[in-house]
Amino acid sequence: DVQLAESGGGLVQPGGSLRLSCAASGFTFRGYWMNWVRQAPGKGLEWVANIKQDGNEEYYLDSVKGRFTISRDNAKSSLYLQMNSLRAEDTAVYYCARERGTKYFDLWGRGTLVTVSS
Amino acid sequence: QSALTQPPSASGSPGQSVTISCTGTSSDVGGYNYVSWYQQHPGKAPKLMIYEVSKRPSGVPDRFSGSKSGNTASLTVSGLQAEDEANYYCSSNAGSNNLRVFGGGTKLTVL
Repeated sequence: DVQLAESGGGLVQPGGSLRLSCAASGFTFRGYWMNWVRQAPGKGLEWVANIKQDGNEEYYLDSVKGRFTISRDNAKSSLYLQMNSLRAEDTAVYYCARERGTKYFDLWGRGTLVTVSS
Repeated sequence: QSALTQPPSASGSPGQSVTISCTGTSSDVGGYNYVSWYQQHPGKAPKLMIYEVSKRPSGVPDRFSGSKSGNTASLTVSGLQAEDEANYYCSSNAGSNNLRVFGGGTKLTVL
């Protein structure tokens, strides 16, 4: 089956860190740009970051630049999001999403919830 | 990195048609044919409904169609059915620097 599965979410205090993972299966992971998209409770989708197939290009939402780092391990078919200096406004379900060449997301995981609270 | 503008809500009766707009700028929606649309039911992951402005992935009913004029893209749902009730989001690339942006979302209610 072609799928993405996120993990690593949980409760963290403001200022803390968390590392999310996304395991890909059923397709050639190294062939695709990959993205993280988040959704705060009751709110809309917000693009967070993406990374090129070879990991040599990364782009970020302004509000997470310098705090979050996206990375990938093509040998393990895995995508990561290292989140540091977390804030209450980072509370959201985080989805990983596969991107096709003309900038659309055709495969999504089920998401992992990150809650930033004291 | 401003979100694309969508109406917060839309509604229609079964069998009717409804159109949801998505307004951006010449740096995103208007500059590229990279608009996509996603359907999201409560508690579920988003699902791709339209890509490249007007193309439908396999398995998406032809009741769903997309178009674009200038800086505004539109999603039309024809022959509304109860299962179409969901939140809908548009997306585009944002400029030439590989950023992406979503609209604020539109809650579609089937009356």
